[in-house]
Amino acid sequence: DQQVKQNSPSLSVQEGRISILNCDYTNSMFDYFLWYKKYPAEGPTFLISISSIKDKNEDGRFTVFLNKSAKHLSLHIVPSQPGDSAVYFCAASANSNYQLIWGAGTKLIIKP
Amino acid sequence: DVKVTQSSRYLVKRTGEKVFLECVQDMDHENMFWYRQDPGLGLRLIYFSYDVKMKEKGDIPEGYSVSREKKERFSLILESASTNQTSMYLCASNGQGKDYEQYFGPGTRLTVT
Repeated sequence: DQQVKQNSPSLSVQEGRISILNCDYTNSMFDYFLWYKKYPAEGPTFLISISSIKDKNEDGRFTVFLNKSAKHLSLHIVPSQPGDSAVYFCAASANSNYQLIWGAGTKLIIKP
Repeated sequence: DVKVTQSSRYLVKRTGEKVFLECVQDMDHENMFWYRQDPGLGLRLIYFSYDVKMKEKGDIPEGYSVSREKKERFSLILESASTNQTSMYLCASNGQGKDYEQYFGPGTRLTVT
């Protein structure tokens, strides 16, 4: 049973436009959410996170929105740049062992 | 800067061989994790460790074992490699306390033939 779902395997966006990546979860005990970015043949790198007590967190071109009632979060990238082409993973945590539950990832392609 | 290193970037092994994957972190982190990443399946936790000599099974521990003799080092062992263990293996670490962010190594692409 997938507790964290990224329903779009891939997304193609024009350079300069907004990229919106979505993530849904089923476990209401999740209290912290993270987005990671992964290039081929490299490990994932942390991008941005949000605590469940907030509904928005912003860092430069990246903004994460959390809608707890809908159990949905989204990552907005504005403006999209060619270097943003990567696989983006959503992850969630609910326990003191700091384990993360991961989505399947969305491959973002930025077209010139 | 946090550094997590893995012993090999690419590895090719034969079915039935014993395989050792090593991970070292330099941030004095208590927690260390081994994942495998397969297309369409995301990252799946194999084992994790929250202290020296301590280990906990993740979601897919079958066919794997781990060893943590020193705080900075976490080894993944495939006792008898099989073709369905062909995958990207990722090691990660983080500290105790409110630090959910995990720091990853570059990964090991293992092919079992």
